[in-house]
Amino acid sequence: RKEVEQDPGPFNVPEGATVAFNCTYSNSASQSFFWYRQDCRKEPKLLMSVYSSGNEDGRFTAQLNRASQYISLLIRDSKLSDSATYLCVVNTDNYGQNFVFGPGTRLSVLP
Amino acid sequence: DAGVIQSPRHEVTEMGQEVTLRCKPISGHDYLFWYRQTMMRGLELLIYFNNNVPIDDSGMPEDRFSAKMPNASFSTLKIQPSEPRDSAVYFCASRPSRQGLSEAFFGQGTRLTVV
Repeated sequence: RKEVEQDPGPFNVPEGATVAFNCTYSNSASQSFFWYRQDCRKEPKLLMSVYSSGNEDGRFTAQLNRASQYISLLIRDSKLSDSATYLCVVNTDNYGQNFVFGPGTRLSVLP
Repeated sequence: DAGVIQSPRHEVTEMGQEVTLRCKPISGHDYLFWYRQTMMRGLELLIYFNNNVPIDDSGMPEDRFSAKMPNASFSTLKIQPSEPRDSAVYFCASRPSRQGLSEAFFGQGTRLTVV
């Protein structure tokens, strides 16, 4: 089983839709979690960190379920500019040496 | 700060040639990472350094790959000899040494094509 798994998609949604991605991880000792965004032919950039209690940043909501070992990302009111690949990232220690990326979920927001 | 700087942005080389990729991390960041990204395997960690010392190189695919960090502001990833299957985008990333949630900042990558 891979350390971090994601549905590769693509998710094709209309503008204004709500879309959710899940990511599962295998190492129960994992301590910190992130969502990165990667545009086509660009480098990954941090979208948001994921806190144990869940957190929201504008239209984006991230949640963590330690018992089931998954994290989720919810995007409300999708914009065309949200089209990108969303990478789930898991660290197995608090100093971040083992920074494992998932394969990414591709999102296309259609007009 | 200009961010993580990588060079070259694109490299096309013939099989068997030596390739050297370069990275300048963000000043003050103690950790430097080299990643490789392909369609088939996604983003893979090759090696990382802490305070210029290689800590984990278990992701380096073969002896043909080597990485150095002679000082806090410069690192190289070398492939010798290169093979077509090395074609990928190579990213360098850096982050500060800080407990808790701390993001890694990526360079723009080097797109390597070995023909």
